[in-house]
Amino acid sequence: AQSVTQPDIHITVSEGASLELRCNYSYGATPYLFWYVQSPGQGLQLLLKYFSGDTLVQGIKGFEAEFKRSQSSFNLRKPSVHWSDAAEYFCAVGAHGTASKLTFGTGTRLQVTL
Amino acid sequence: DAGVIQSPRHEVTEMGQEVTLRCKPISGHNSLFWYRQTMMRGLELLIYFNNNVPIDDSGMPEDRFSAKMPNASFSTLKIQPSEPRDSAVYFCASSSQDTNTGELFFGEGSRLTVL
Repeated sequence: AQSVTQPDIHITVSEGASLELRCNYSYGATPYLFWYVQSPGQGLQLLLKYFSGDTLVQGIKGFEAEFKRSQSSFNLRKPSVHWSDAAEYFCAVGAHGTASKLTFGTGTRLQVTL
Repeated sequence: DAGVIQSPRHEVTEMGQEVTLRCKPISGHNSLFWYRQTMMRGLELLIYFNNNVPIDDSGMPEDRFSAKMPNASFSTLKIQPSEPRDSAVYFCASSSQDTNTGELFFGEGSRLTVL
């Protein structure tokens, strides 16, 4: 069975600082990997996804993530955080063939200080 | 284009009452998912449909929960009878299996409080 671990429940960064959110997955083959963002009172919105090919993927809002098979990781990064990035971030894994049947991590809440 | 539409956005009910949550997926999407979000358990997949047929309902907590998709543009999640532990935000999401991008499009959720 597939699973996702987000070890950081809550992270606080200053506006303008860099950000890295950690994600580790467990899956027997090459997974489909996703990062979603959830603003308060809203549904989840896709930031970026990895299916195959280049292991560094670019997403919306200036986010990027790198797939590292050897570490079973898919960490999310942003070089300079904006106050509007404060939200909850979810990493998710899907299986080939049923890509949309996703297993989500428990989320990391990002707080941005001015 | 309209996104996934859920109703009601908020529901407060008393234990034992029947609750029905509704979802209209994005037009043209052929997969629909019901998720439940709680602080304790995070996001849990309850059930998903492909072409209106339930494919996997292993996440449905118990017999009090049922879901239907009578046509491609409508789905319901029913809880009968409701219990306080059912309090959560319930999300509906849809996707297109034809493109197989894996992207889920979420509604804004239905926040359920069972007293």
